[in-house]
Amino acid sequence: GEDVEQSLFLSVREGDSSVINCTYTDSSSTYLYWYKQEPGAGLQLLTYIFSNMDMKQDQRLTVLLNKKDKHLSLRIADTQTGDSAIYFCAEFSRTGNQFYFGTGTSLTVIP
Amino acid sequence: KAGVTQTPRYLIKTRGQQVTLSCSPISGHRSVSWYQQTPGQGLQFLFEYFSETQRNKGNFPGRFSGRQFSNSRSEMNVSTLELGDSALYLCASSPGTSGLNNEQYFGPGTRLTVT
Repeated sequence: GEDVEQSLFLSVREGDSSVINCTYTDSSSTYLYWYKQEPGAGLQLLTYIFSNMDMKQDQRLTVLLNKKDKHLSLRIADTQTGDSAIYFCAEFSRTGNQFYFGTGTSLTVIP
Repeated sequence: KAGVTQTPRYLIKTRGQQVTLSCSPISGHRSVSWYQQTPGQGLQFLFEYFSETQRNKGNFPGRFSGRQFSNSRSEMNVSTLELGDSALYLCASSPGTSGLNNEQYFGPGTRLTVT
């Protein structure tokens, strides 16, 4: 299957910006997604970006896409304690006709 | 609109037993996908159903099966349970249209523990 890689842990102070990175391998991906999972819950769709875009902003969230390097990032401005969760990036592979998820990045926000 | 619902939320079974999990998608969504989430393997795709037909399948043994009903509700079944089947099973629904963007909406999951 396709590889979607993320760093496992990130720790930031409340009020700072968080940047979560993701790399993927499938160049046929048309949409890339970010999901948030809080303890004991399912995945919540945060935002997504079309592959012909470089950037998408949605309130405190900014998604950057470098298609040449197959690198995706999620920036959370003014990070709050409620943002503590696991964040997954995902791609929909047209080759495999399915979603591939990253390993998830556990974000801890220190008050 | 109501979100994706999954029942039961928690389940404890014994090795060798079989289990059936249920998922009701968002109203109007025709595609239901199932995932297994474990700490070691992360999220792994099991299968996807669209209009009562299995449209795609991941790399899981035949003990894992599913079906979808005419109202788009889906069930997955695991037979001859093994300890390694202990996981959070997530269901996701999407409109399932032919459009390129198939954003998925997840249910809360069913936590299965096999003892």
